[in-house]
Amino acid sequence: EDQVTQSPEALRLQEGESSSLNCSYTVSGLRGLFWYRQDPGKGPEFLFTLYSAGEEKEKERLKATLTKKESFLHITAPKPEDSATYLCAVQALIQGAQKLVFGQGTRLTINP
Amino acid sequence: NAGVTQTPKFQVLKTGQSMTLQCAQDMNHNSMYWYRQDPGMGLRLIYYSASEGTTDKGEVPNGYNVSRLNKREFSLRLESAAPSQTSVYFCASRFGTGSSYEQYFGPGTRLTVT
Repeated sequence: EDQVTQSPEALRLQEGESSSLNCSYTVSGLRGLFWYRQDPGKGPEFLFTLYSAGEEKEKERLKATLTKKESFLHITAPKPEDSATYLCAVQALIQGAQKLVFGQGTRLTINP
Repeated sequence: NAGVTQTPKFQVLKTGQSMTLQCAQDMNHNSMYWYRQDPGMGLRLIYYSASEGTTDKGEVPNGYNVSRLNKREFSLRLESAAPSQTSVYFCASRFGTGSSYEQYFGPGTRLTVT
């Protein structure tokens, strides 16, 4: 069964304190791994797509990396505005169609 | 360019009432999706439409119906609402062709069934 597990469930950091969020997955034939940011009361906002092991993508203070079994979202010197829930999803072939399987998210809080 | 829009933003229903959630996108995407998001459960796919004129069940379709009205619009209907359908509903869309699989989400509809 295709599964996505994110850890930790919640993470509280001080402003400037770098850390990483983890997304581990089991899927037959990975077609893509996606990271989204979700602010309270809003829809998920697309951040990155990673397609193959070794690939990296960066955007401001965020860098996403991918291995054969997991992805990391590294956040460097975070600011309070980086506080959000970060969702990971994998593209999987389910019942003959390409679909996204989501993890439960990591709720990140950056204290000033 | 509004992206994906959803109406209404909030709704309260009594058990047994019906309603339709509306979704529209202006990105010329082929595929559209309906998800529900519940605490601790993540986003779960209800129904999707790979292209205009087609719809298919997702992970949790029971109690819902959908209509792909045209390329832009994809509606979700609750025929007889139940408290278990209290959730936040998100519509999403993507191009549906090539290697670009990322989906773009609307702002959500927060539904409470009493």
